[in-house]
Amino acid sequence: NAGVTQTPKFQVLKTGQSMTLQCAQDMNHNSMYWYRQDPGMGLRLIYYSASEGTTDKGEVPNGYNVSRLNKREFSLRLESAAPSQTSVYFCASSERTGAASGYGYTFGSGTRLTVV
Amino acid sequence: KNQVEQSPQSLIILEGKNCTLQCNYTVSPFSNLRWYKQDTGRGPVSLTIMTFSENTKSNGRYTATLDADTKQSSLHITASQLSDSASYICVVSDGTASKLTFGTGTRLQVTL
Repeated sequence: NAGVTQTPKFQVLKTGQSMTLQCAQDMNHNSMYWYRQDPGMGLRLIYYSASEGTTDKGEVPNGYNVSRLNKREFSLRLESAAPSQTSVYFCASSERTGAASGYGYTFGSGTRLTVV
Repeated sequence: KNQVEQSPQSLIILEGKNCTLQCNYTVSPFSNLRWYKQDTGRGPVSLTIMTFSENTKSNGRYTATLDADTKQSSLHITASQLSDSASYICVVSDGTASKLTFGTGTRLQVTL
C-alpha cells in the first residue's frame, strides 16, 4: 500500500549511543516531517523538509539532525542519545507545505525509541 | 502561544451511541483545522480538514464543525462502532510553513 514507511518500529539505545531513523514515502510528496509524541503532549515538530534539498528546524530540534536524501527519503539521526529522547517518533509527508496549506499529512506508523 | 485544548480527555460509550468531542484553539492567524484518528500503536490518519469558510465537513459517520468566531470545533461520531476506539486529535494550522499545533487528543473507547 502507498504511504509512509518507517524503520525500525522499536529500538532500545543506551545513553550516548547514536542511531538513524529511516523514513520513505512513495506518494511523490514534496514535504516531509519528523515529529515526536510524548504522553500528555501533542505531537511536536523536530525538523521538516519543505522540498528536496532543504531542511529546517521545528519546535524541538536539539539533539537531532536530519538528511533529506532524495525526494522519497528523510532520515532523523540521534548523535548521542539521552533518556529525554525516549519517545515515539513519527515521520509524515504532504504534497507541499506553505501558507494556507490545506494539504493533508500522511503519517508513518512510528518508531518507539527507549533510551536507558 | 498557540494552543489547542481538547475535551474530554477520555470517553467511554456503548456501541451504537453517538458522541461529540470538543476542540478549542487559540491559534493566530488561523488557516485550517484538522481532525485525526490515531489507533493504538499507529500513526494519525486524517479525517477532515476545514478552512476558515467551512462550517461543517463530513467523512462517513464523522462530522466536524467549525466556529471560527468562537474558535471552537467539534467532531461528532454517529452510530459508534468498536473500531472507532482510538484517540482523536485536533490540529490547527496557522498557514506558515509546516506549523501545526496539535491537541493532546481525546481517547475514545467504544464498548459492547
